[in-house]
Amino acid sequence: DAGVTQSPTHLIKTRGQQVTLRCSPKSGHDTVSWYQQALGQGPQFIFQYYEEEERQRGNFPDRFSGHQFPNYSSELNVNALLLGDSALYLCASSLARYEQYFGPGTRLTVT
Amino acid sequence: LAKITQPISMDSYEGQEVNITCSHNNIATNDYITWYQQFPSQGPRFIIQGYKTKVTNEVASLFIPADRKSSTLSLPRVSLSDTAVYYCLVGAYNTNAGKSTFGDGTTLTVKP
Repeated sequence: DAGVTQSPTHLIKTRGQQVTLRCSPKSGHDTVSWYQQALGQGPQFIFQYYEEEERQRGNFPDRFSGHQFPNYSSELNVNALLLGDSALYLCASSLARYEQYFGPGTRLTVT
Repeated sequence: LAKITQPISMDSYEGQEVNITCSHNNIATNDYITWYQQFPSQGPRFIIQGYKTKVTNEVASLFIPADRKSSTLSLPRVSLSDTAVYYCLVGAYNTNAGKSTFGDGTTLTVKP
């Protein structure tokens, strides 16, 4: 049973560019959440998707957007990249429970 | 949002019991307390979750006092492979994820 998978593993972008990160949830899970983790800090909640809709959103600007597909996979899009967007982006999935399973993350570097 | 405070780092030796305390003074009535373990370049891994009193599973115990303003993760007989960062999460994240808060983590170093 595959766990949560994310792609790509690493990504380097330039300021002002746009990026799309992808996540496939654990088999059977229908809820996907995205987190940003800066170096040396705990993950910060970006948003959560359920039934293809954004259900909850953290304190992130509109440059951060997402999507969930009918197969429950999800994308995180970030527009107009800033240097401060450099971080590990984590995807987590769950099924109507409190226990989330995290993926390995995508390391984004903005230069 | 709950304000989470954890020690920045802790050292231990193989075979010892390790207790990591998390302070969450303004925890809400519906909030759960969850602990995660994270190794470098990996996502956090679920360890244990509780609401009140004591919870035990095959890898850890979680102690939560009656006022729920703190919690203690207990790792029995740690080994070198337990060296990692441990995060405390407060919130009912599946129904109210936007108000869930991670602490900044405790780096546990286990020495031989």
